[in-house]
Amino acid sequence: DTAVSQTPKYLVTQMGNDKSIKCEQNLGHDTMYWYKQDSKKFLKIMFSYNNKELIINETVPNRFSPKSPDKAHLNLHINSLELGDSAVYFCASNPSGQRGNSPLHFGNGTRLTVT
Amino acid sequence: DAKTTQPNSMESNEEEPVHLPCNHSTISGTDYIHWYRQLPSQGPEYVIHGLTSNVNNRMASLAIAEDRKSSTLILHRATLRDAAVYYCILNSGGSNYKLTFGKGTLLTVNP
Repeated sequence: DTAVSQTPKYLVTQMGNDKSIKCEQNLGHDTMYWYKQDSKKFLKIMFSYNNKELIINETVPNRFSPKSPDKAHLNLHINSLELGDSAVYFCASNPSGQRGNSPLHFGNGTRLTVT
Repeated sequence: DAKTTQPNSMESNEEEPVHLPCNHSTISGTDYIHWYRQLPSQGPEYVIHGLTSNVNNRMASLAIAEDRKSSTLILHRATLRDAAVYYCILNSGGSNYKLTFGKGTLLTVNP
């Protein structure tokens, strides 16, 4: 009964390919996020969605397109993959009410390797 | 989000208490202090958070200075499983809610 689950766990692909990472949460939260952790281990927010509406887009290249079919799912589609996209991508969620007082729940990450 | 400063690394022995410090001198009145940790090959895990008063939960305690410019995460009895990177983050919520992670403190626990 994993709270925030991501698939796949590992993704190895070649430059130029298009790939998707899926995220689902069963916590009833209405806000979901994508974070990227690079090789230096910095965690940076990429996107956040609230009730299927995009509310944060942190100057991520438009090759990255999040899609939220419903508030329990936030998928990340990446076009024309580049070497620099290699990283671990984390999905997270939390309820939107009183956000400052509301912890994030993270998935276990998707390790993307672009060769 | 306001900035926090943590030591790059700390070391502890198993079953001893660990005090992880965090400075946040530019904290605003609405910022909550959150702590997360990241075990190897896992996603960040929420540990504890507070606003003004000290907080306790099953994982840890959070001691917040009276002026709120610093805080300390206390692990009462470190175990090998507590070896992780610990992040102290200020969280104001709001419509543009996001958590900004710094470098954190790498905690090593010796058997």
